[in-house]
Parts: sequence; structure tokens; C-alpha cells
Amino acid sequence: NAGVTQTPKFQVLKTGQSMTLQCAQDMNHNSMYWYRQDPGMGLRLIYYSASEGTTDKGEVPNGYNVSRLNKREFSLRLESAAPSQTSVYFCASRKLAASTDTQYFGPGTRLTVL
Amino acid sequence: AQSVTQLGSHVSVSEGALVLLRCNYSSSVPPYLFWYVQYPNQGLQLLLKYTSAATLVKGINGFEAEFKKSETSFHLTKPSAHMSDAAEYFCAVSGLRGNEKLTFGTGTRLTIIP
Repeated sequence: NAGVTQTPKFQVLKTGQSMTLQCAQDMNHNSMYWYRQDPGMGLRLIYYSASEGTTDKGEVPNGYNVSRLNKREFSLRLESAAPSQTSVYFCASRKLAASTDTQYFGPGTRLTVL
Repeated sequence: AQSVTQLGSHVSVSEGALVLLRCNYSSSVPPYLFWYVQYPNQGLQLLLKYTSAATLVKGINGFEAEFKKSETSFHLTKPSAHMSDAAEYFCAVSGLRGNEKLTFGTGTRLTIIP
């Protein structure tokens, strides 16, 4: 049981390049989330998917798109990377969308945009 | 809307001393509250959560937190700090409705002095 996995672990992009961050979970969870973590700002929600087939914007969605490919996988795409998107990105999942359910986090992707 | 404020971005304690990390919340409805820990270069993992069953919540690694409605606080404590407790700690809040999202505080980095 690997939990939540993310690829790649590290990535360096040039301004304007595109890339997709991959996330997968093997816990049969319904809800999945993408966060970014910046120094002094905690974690901020980018997008989430309450269940397979649905996606919604979070607090900071501009410049990102997501795809809930199936129940296991939830990808985050940067179409035209900007230096402001330099951050650590975390994917998370939880079994239900219920507020009491624990979110489980992946190990993160450290992205640098030059 | 819910929010949390973590007082002190950095806290240092001596090994064996009391750990106290502060979290105050703001919520228009009774909240659910969480503490997560992040070890260096890892994702977040749940320490404990308050879901209204009991005001004193015990978590992993000897940590506990007490929900105080009158003070709108959910401070994290541990009686005796260990070197392995060095990490960043995040308080988070969500509301009661289904599919409520987590809102994180800005984090407190805990350093343990040998």
C-alpha cells in the first residue's frame, strides 16, 4: 500500500514551458486535492475533486488546470509556467468528502521556474 | 469562512521541556480542527483532530490538543520534547458541511535544543 504518490519529485522549468504533475492514490479514496506550499503562507488549495468526474477551483487556481483521470489519478497541469509558480506542490486524498475525514498527503514535487 | 492563526512562526524548546504550539481559529460555525506535522522533505501527516466528540484530543507521538470554545483556541502540547519532534506543524480548520475544504495556518517550525 503506497498511499499517495507524486511524480516527479523535482522539476526545473523555463518560463513559458508546460508540464503535468502526476498524483495517484491506492487507498480507494473518493476525494483528491492539489495544494501549493510557499514559505510563510502555509498550504493553499489549488484545485480539488470531490469524486471521480468532478473538479472544482480552490483558493489559487489561476494558471493551473486539472484532470481527474480516474478514481486513482489526479493530475495538475501548468500550461505556461511563470516564476510565481515556483513552489512545492502536494497532492492529497481522503476517503469521503466529509469534513471529519483525514487527508493523506503525498511527498511533494519541488518545482522551480526560471 | 474559516481561518486559523498560528502564533509564532518559529518556536525553540530544550529537549525534555514542554512543547506548546498555539493555534486560534475563526469560524462562523462550530469547526473541525486538525494538527498536521511535516518532517523535512516530506508530506504532511495527521497528528490529531477535533471532531466535537471530546475537547481534549490525544494524537500520535505523545501530542495532545484541547479545544477551548471560549478562547477559540486549539493549542498543541507535549509534556517532554524529543529531538525527533523537530518539524513544521500546521493547524487547519474546516466547517461542518459535507465536502468542506481544509484551511491551513502558516505553520510553526519547532526546533529542539539538545
